[in-house]
Amino acid sequence: GESVGLHLPTLSVQEGDNSIINCAYSNSASDYFIWYKQESGKGPQFIIDIRSNMDKRQGQRVTVLLNKTVKHLSLQIAATQPGDSAVYFCAENLVLGKLTFGQGTILTVHP
Amino acid sequence: DTGVSQDPRHKITKRGQNVTFRCDPISEHNRLYWYRQTLGQGPEFLTYFQNEAQLEKSRLLSDRFSAERPKGSFSTLEIQRTEQGDSAMYLCASSLRGKADAEAFFGQGTRLTVV
Repeated sequence: GESVGLHLPTLSVQEGDNSIINCAYSNSASDYFIWYKQESGKGPQFIIDIRSNMDKRQGQRVTVLLNKTVKHLSLQIAATQPGDSAVYFCAENLVLGKLTFGQGTILTVHP
Repeated sequence: DTGVSQDPRHKITKRGQNVTFRCDPISEHNRLYWYRQTLGQGPEFLTYFQNEAQLEKSRLLSDRFSAERPKGSFSTLEIQRTEQGDSAMYLCASSLRGKADAEAFFGQGTRLTVV
């Protein structure tokens, strides 16, 4: 079946390091992807998105890379801070606003 | 109104009871979504509305589940005859149709525990 999934369920980094969170998708027709951050007890929070006509998009301290050849998506967080500790989900937007989420990666940032 | 609001934040109910959750979307948003999230998993789509019309329902939404958005503003999600397997976080999100990227904004969720 078609799905969006994540390679690594957990990631631990030191404060100040860069973090890379990966995501694989299987639907080659996917054309819009979003990264969400979810802190404990809260709803998902939009981080950054990318369309399939791009291979890179940058935000504040975050960069999303899209490799359509291998159907791979990554989120890079520069100078990771303790406040970045959360679960990160990639999501595929097939129908406007209807999201299919991957399993999630737990990011833990150690001071 | 600065975001999507959900009420209650937590609900504990006995198996077999009915529960109802409310979602107030961002005021100008015409699309409203319900998702369910279990521990360690990503949210799963349940249903969505455009204005007052319910346009799509997931197979996850059994006959015991019903959602309404009577005036195209707030929405309710009712679960009848709750089962332990209904225990989850129920998330509401809203977006604005026509906005190019259709970013969905999520509420804080209602955590349901069925005992």
